[in-house]
Amino acid sequence: AQSVAQPEDQVNVAEGNPLTVKCTYSVSGNPYLFWYVQYPNRGLQFLLKYITGDNLVKGSYGFEAEFNKSQTSFHLKKPSALVSDSALYFCAVGRSGSYIPTFGRGTSLIVHP
Amino acid sequence: DTAVSQTPKYLVTQMGNDKSIKCEQNLGHDTMYWYKQDSKKFLKIMFSYNNKELIINETVPNRFSPKSPDKAHLNLHINSLELGDSAVYFCASSPRDGFTDTQYFGPGTRLTVL
Repeated sequence: AQSVAQPEDQVNVAEGNPLTVKCTYSVSGNPYLFWYVQYPNRGLQFLLKYITGDNLVKGSYGFEAEFNKSQTSFHLKKPSALVSDSALYFCAVGRSGSYIPTFGRGTSLIVHP
Repeated sequence: DTAVSQTPKYLVTQMGNDKSIKCEQNLGHDTMYWYKQDSKKFLKIMFSYNNKELIINETVPNRFSPKSPDKAHLNLHINSLELGDSAVYFCASSPRDGFTDTQYFGPGTRLTVL
């Protein structure tokens, strides 16, 4: 079984400030973790993923995420937020042998000018 | 060139009707998916189709049936449409499997059932 939780429905941050979007997961075996972004009226776009290796993963548009096995977390971060980062962010988890990934409920990121 | 395309973009229909949504990917991927995103933006996977194997999500009513004429196409047919079927449906594809590969999403089809 696998599940993922995004505890915040919405995150507000001022432009230029660092941002964090939280994600925790539960999976039997090794997790495969993803972040996707959805802009209004668009499909999801891939940001980054953790499969194995370095716990700090760098992705598109200056985003990064840190895999923390002990806390079962994969929080998305960016050092300096842009207004254009405002979107809906989804965390997803998969596991070996499963063709069906599980997505979180999504977190709406709002970056204020 | 569009990697994953869906038609139509908008679909408005009456309860009880049967409708289809088409999806095509030109990425040469082996696996395709259908997702449903409801009005609260919750995203739920409905089906995954990997070459010869269809993976069915048990929570999906059997009124929904995916059909794959070839590896590049995965269509979604919906029988006896209900009000609760109103949502945005996304098609996606990935190179091989779902658990390690990046998924590429289509632009979505907004279905409204009246």
